[in-house]
Amino acid sequence: QVQLQESGPGLVKPSETLSLTCTVSGGSINSYSWSWVRQAPGKGLEWIGNIDYNGNSKYSPSLKSRVTISPDTSKNQFSLKLTSVTEVDAAVYYCARDQGDYNNGRIWFDPWGQGTLVTVSS
Amino acid sequence: EIVLTQSPATLSLSPGERATLSCRSSQSISNYLAWYQQKPGQAPRLLIYHASNRATGIPARFSGSGSGTDFTLSISSLEPEDFAVYSCQQHYNWPCTFGQGTKLEIK
Repeated sequence: QVQLQESGPGLVKPSETLSLTCTVSGGSINSYSWSWVRQAPGKGLEWIGNIDYNGNSKYSPSLKSRVTISPDTSKNQFSLKLTSVTEVDAAVYYCARDQGDYNNGRIWFDPWGQGTLVTVSS
Repeated sequence: EIVLTQSPATLSLSPGERATLSCRSSQSISNYLAWYQQKPGQAPRLLIYHASNRATGIPARFSGSGSGTDFTLSISSLEPEDFAVYSCQQHYNWPCTFGQGTKLEIK
C-alpha cells in the first residue's frame, strides 16, 4: 500500500523559500503523477501543482511564477519549492498521488500524506 | 477557473440520521467530481470520484450523485466516525479546484 510522508521546516521567514519533500513508500514515483495541495487555516484545499513520471510538471496559474516541483527518483521522493513566501503562504501542505488522467488535467487524489504545517514568520 | 460552492457550511445531525451535502459548480463539469472526508489533524480521504464511484474501502452508506453543475453526497445512516469536514473537488479541467467544505457536526 502506497504511503506518503511530508518533511521539511515548519517555520519559514517572509521573502525566503519554502522547501518540502514528500517520501513515497510502497510504490515507485516512476508510476503515476504526484501533487502538492495546501490548506490555509480555516480555508479550503488549494492545488499547487504536480509532476508526472516523465518529470513533466504543471502548476496552478496563481502560483506558477513561484513554484517548482521536482523528482528525486533515487530516493523515491519529490519536492516542492515555493519562493518569496508571505504570510498568505502559511498552511498545511499535503502531498498526494494523482489518480485519473494527468495529460488532460482530469485528476483526483488518493492517497494523501498526513500533511505538514508551515508557518511564515520572522 | 471553476468555482465550487458547498452548502450548507455546517450541518448538525444525530447518529443514525441521513446526511445530504451539496456541491454546486460555476459551470458544467459533467460527472467529474470527487468528494473527500477530512477529520481534524488528518489527511483528506477520498470517498467518491466521477460523482458516484466509491473509492476502495469506502462503506456503502456513502453515495454520490449528480451531473452538470449540481452534486450531492449522501450518508444514509450516520455513524459516530462520520462527523468530519467534507470537501468536493472538480476533476473536469485544469487547474482542479475544491469547494470550501461542509462541516458535519453532532447535534
